[in-house]
Amino acid sequence: QSALTQPPSTSAAPGQRVTISCSGTSSSIGNTFVSWYQQFPGAAPKLLIYDNYKRPSGIPDRFSGSKSGTSATLGITGLQTGDEADYYCGSWDGSTWVFGGGTRLTVL
Amino acid sequence: EVQLVESGGGLVQPGGSLKLSCAASGFTFSGAAMNWVRQAPGKGLEWIGRIRSDLHNYATTYGASVRGRFTISRDDAMNTAFLQMNSLKTEDSAMYYCTRASYSNTWFFDYWGQGTLVTVSS
Repeated sequence: QSALTQPPSTSAAPGQRVTISCSGTSSSIGNTFVSWYQQFPGAAPKLLIYDNYKRPSGIPDRFSGSKSGTSATLGITGLQTGDEADYYCGSWDGSTWVFGGGTRLTVL
Repeated sequence: EVQLVESGGGLVQPGGSLKLSCAASGFTFSGAAMNWVRQAPGKGLEWIGRIRSDLHNYATTYGASVRGRFTISRDDAMNTAFLQMNSLKTEDSAMYYCTRASYSNTWFFDYWGQGTLVTVSS
């Protein structure tokens, strides 16, 4: 069982906006910063968001992140079929790293 | 360009050992914290552990499921990180990724290798 909880799946139509939640505790998300990773089938994960909301160079601003209390949210606007992937949240709790269980995004 | 290239995966029997390598290039390896993350077939990501730089005395930290069986090391002269896996179990079968961790307000994994597959089976 992951220390961070994500919905197993979500879906939306092209052009729409989708959000993916990541729920933790006061000692995990509530006490640190969250990063998000995108993984296509058969490929390695890729950093999408760090420090709750910051985007690495090359990540389009359609991707956004936020955190409130013990939950974090990844937002994707203007959905494209190429956004179909698994998305993972993660955080460092001071001694170990924890990932969410992952959310499979389907673009209908 | 940052590159991380894992190698050393393969088929091993339960109870056996295997040593994975991660060859790094495109950044100052000696100053980086290197991590290993694995993913069982059809499952999510699981952090295995990390090794810090010599500035932090090459400190290592491990996840609960591998502590005492797996050891992370590094050779800064070779720009390579290693994952020594002993007493392997069938549940250790997974794709193993090497990642570089960077620090801003906290740690995050900014670069990943392509992975090397480990299968533990008799």
